[in-house]
Amino acid sequence: DAGVIQSPRHEVTEMGQEVTLRCKPISGHNSLFWYRQTMMRGLELLIYFNNNVPIDDSGMPEDRFSAKMPNASFSTLKIQPSEPRDSAVYFCASSRGRAGGPYTGELFFGEGSRLTVL
Amino acid sequence: AQKVTQAQTEISVVEKEDVTLDCVYETRDTTYYLFWYKQPPSGELVFLIRRNSFDEQNEISGRYSWNFQKSTSSFNFTITASQVVDSAVYFCALSSNFGNEKLTFGTGTRLTIIP
Repeated sequence: DAGVIQSPRHEVTEMGQEVTLRCKPISGHNSLFWYRQTMMRGLELLIYFNNNVPIDDSGMPEDRFSAKMPNASFSTLKIQPSEPRDSAVYFCASSRGRAGGPYTGELFFGEGSRLTVL
Repeated sequence: AQKVTQAQTEISVVEKEDVTLDCVYETRDTTYYLFWYKQPPSGELVFLIRRNSFDEQNEISGRYSWNFQKSTSSFNFTITASQVVDSAVYFCALSSNFGNEKLTFGTGTRLTIIP
C-alpha cells in the first residue's frame, strides 16, 4: 500500500513568493496532520483535520499560513508570502482517526517537504 | 498543557552497547497515550510503540524495551546490543485520550551508534 505522499520533496524559493505544499494521505485514513520541524523548535503541529474538517489550527503561526483539505485524498499547506524563518521540513501525516476502528494513535508520516526561503 | 521532555540531546555509544533514552512527560489528563517514534537519516518518522496510561507493564520487542512508570511520569526506551542501523533521532510523544488526536512531541534524542 502507498504511504503518505508529499510534494515537492524540496523547494527553494525567494522571500515573498507563494509556496504550496501538497499531501496525499493513506487511503481510508480519516485524520490528516501538518507538522513543521526545525532545529530550534523541534516538531510542531500546525493543523489537523478529521474527515476533511479542520479540528485544531492553533499551531498555525500566522495569517500567512493556510491549509485546506478539499477531499479525503488531498490537502495543501500554503504560505503566502513566504519568509526566511519559514524554512523548515514540513511533514504531513495521516491516521485512521477515532472513527476508523480501534484507536491506535499511530501516525503515518510522509517523507517531508524541505522548504528553503532565501 | 502537555509537555514532553527529552533531556538527552545527543548520545553516542559503541556498537553492541546497551543504551537508554529518557522521556519525562507532563499532563493533567488522567488517561493518555505515550509513543516513541524513530526518525532515521532518510527523514520520515516511523512509529515504534504506543502505551496507554492504564497499562504500566513494560514491553519488549526484540532488542527494544520500554519502561513506563506513572509514578515518575517517565517512559524510557532501551536498546539492547545496539547496532549501527539504530542510529537515528528518537522522539517521545504524548496524546490525550479525550478526542483530540494531536501528538505533543519531545525535542528528540539523536542516537549515534559507533561501529
